[in-house]
Amino acid sequence: KAGVTQTPRYLIKTRGQQVTLSCSPISGHRSVSWYQQTPGQGLQFLFEYFSETQRNKGNFPGRFSGRQFSNSRSEMNVSTLELGDSALYLCASSFRGPGGGSSKSGANVLTFGAGSRLTVL
Amino acid sequence: DQQVKQNSPSLSVQEGRISILNCDYTNSMFDYFLWYKKYPAEGPTFLISISSIKDKNEDGRFTVFLNKSAKHLSLHIVPSQPGDSAVYFCAASRNGSSNTGKLIFGQGTTLQVKP
Repeated sequence: KAGVTQTPRYLIKTRGQQVTLSCSPISGHRSVSWYQQTPGQGLQFLFEYFSETQRNKGNFPGRFSGRQFSNSRSEMNVSTLELGDSALYLCASSFRGPGGGSSKSGANVLTFGAGSRLTVL
Repeated sequence: DQQVKQNSPSLSVQEGRISILNCDYTNSMFDYFLWYKKYPAEGPTFLISISSIKDKNEDGRFTVFLNKSAKHLSLHIVPSQPGDSAVYFCAASRNGSSNTGKLIFGQGTTLQVKP
């Protein structure tokens, strides 16, 4: 089974530009979540999509947006880039079927992609 | 407001010894706790999890302990191996949302296991 695929892996943009990142989840996984990782901040939740609907949203400004397509693939967009947006953007997918989680404990296990490293100059 | 905290940015242990990574949380509504491991240039990978109704979960060399009264959990790795050198993230999910994709992560602890 192929893993979570994120493209592009690396990109450099300048302030004020916008960027679109793509994520292909594991086949059969219906939930896609996005996280931002910066040094010292850990992983910060951006948003989650399930069946093309945004189900959860983190505390990020409206410049950060996303969407999910009917095949569960997802994109996130950041407009009017700022220097502070430089980060590793991680996408994760999960089955999120009825009855809850997929681990032995019942927790919902997210499978992450390798991330898209964004540098804003 | 950092609801999940890993107060030790780094930890160094000798191969074969025990590694203990700690995590504190503030929200009593968390019902599941997970540990992820991350190598450079890769995404985090799931390691082990525990439900809030348990106090211990074991999987091979990895054991997670949960102390609800202290709002503290720890990950024990015994014996530690050089391949365990990575960044370890503690994460939590909210009550009643076991199937959510929203996890609250700590800042991570970099573990170095010396041969």
